[in-house]
Amino acid sequence: AQKITQTQPGMFVQEKEAVTLDCTYDTSDPSYGLFWYKQPSSGEMIFLIYQGSYDQQNATEGRYSLNFQKARKSANLVISASQLGDSAMYFCAITNTGNQFYFGTGTSLTVIP
Amino acid sequence: DTGVSQDPRHKITKRGQNVTFRCDPISEHNRLYWYRQTLGQGPEFLTYFQNEAQLEKSRLLSDRFSAERPKGSFSTLEIQRTEQGDSAMYLCASSLGQGTSGPLNSYEQYFGPGTRLTVT
Repeated sequence: AQKITQTQPGMFVQEKEAVTLDCTYDTSDPSYGLFWYKQPSSGEMIFLIYQGSYDQQNATEGRYSLNFQKARKSANLVISASQLGDSAMYFCAITNTGNQFYFGTGTSLTVIP
Repeated sequence: DTGVSQDPRHKITKRGQNVTFRCDPISEHNRLYWYRQTLGQGPEFLTYFQNEAQLEKSRLLSDRFSAERPKGSFSTLEIQRTEQGDSAMYLCASSLGQGTSGPLNSYEQYFGPGTRLTVT
């Protein structure tokens, strides 16, 4: 089985600053995928970024990047130049087959103007 | 393409009643997932379909829960004899996926707005 741990229940960041949201994972499978999702107060989960276990480079998608440290089993999300609209819950998830996904408990991010 | 839709958006029911939720995935997506999310928690996997076949089911899912995807398009999730502990947001997601062993980045999920169930 896989497991995701997100140890930051809440984070605050000043507008235009960068912020790192932590995610550690546990899996015995050498092949896995890591996903980050954003859930605004409206409730709908939005896909942000993906990192595969065999990817040589850290994933980037616009202002989102993933600090992937395989040996430490961490996949931290970095949001650069924070905007007020980034205020939301952020969830890290893992799958090894695409059939079943395991999500963490999430981090609530608040961007301060 | 209007994305993943779920119906109803809200459901209030009395304990012991049966409820059924519907999910319409993105039309070309062959993979469909159901999750349950309670306050302060991440989505908890319930079950997964590839086309019309239910391939995974969480061990946490009691026999009061059943899901179908009869023609590989929309799906329904039924909860029988509801209990107060069933109160939660029920999320549906779909993904394109590539067969059973495609690259994992093809399993990016698109979520619906959820159905909020309140059992009184």
